[in-house]
Amino acid sequence: DAMVIQNPRYQVTQFGKPVTLSCSQTLNHNVMYWYQQKSSQAPKLLFHYYDKDFNNEADTPDNFQSRRPNTSFCFLDIRSPGLGDAAMYLCATRARGGRAEVAKNIQYFGAGTRLSVL
Amino acid sequence: GQQLNQSPQSMFIQEGEDVSMNCTSSSIFNTWLWYKQDPGEGPVLLIALYKAGELTSNGRLTAQFGITRKDSFLNISASIPSDVGIYFCAGQIDSNYQLIWGAGTKLIIKP
Repeated sequence: DAMVIQNPRYQVTQFGKPVTLSCSQTLNHNVMYWYQQKSSQAPKLLFHYYDKDFNNEADTPDNFQSRRPNTSFCFLDIRSPGLGDAAMYLCATRARGGRAEVAKNIQYFGAGTRLSVL
Repeated sequence: GQQLNQSPQSMFIQEGEDVSMNCTSSSIFNTWLWYKQDPGEGPVLLIALYKAGELTSNGRLTAQFGITRKDSFLNISASIPSDVGIYFCAGQIDSNYQLIWGAGTKLIIKP
């Protein structure tokens, strides 16, 4: 059974039209990540949450925002998508804080959302 | 900043051949992870390494954490068609830092 679930798997939006991607997890992990991945490149970290603490990467555009209403869910909001934002968006989770898994530094990924911008 | 050099960038092999790829770093890592990504899917963890010199197997896959803690390799023995995909190495200095990713090795199996 999938442990990190991303919806939708495919999203088409129009240039400038806001879009929200969602991620949910059944692992009860404290840390959640959003990555952007373009055409066979390595994933690029956009931001992450340690519990409710939001951590933005320095080079993440302001156009990208995130919300984490509870442990299980995290959202990626793209306020005004441009053509250059077409990519695969990956959500990942990791355990943190007093659990055996934390020492393993393993990130578990969802299947991704492929975003197209027309 | 820290960089990971992953090679080769791509490999064209015959079914049944062995495969080897590696990653080198300018920094010392305490964790090396190897992921595989199929087209249109998220990365899936293959092997995790935590100690210098550690050699770990997962079926036909074997990975090692280099003695210098700046490199790691992944070997695949007797490749099969489902091995096709992109293999990423990822390293971490410690748990307070994010993963640093290699550029990936694309494995293609010739019919």
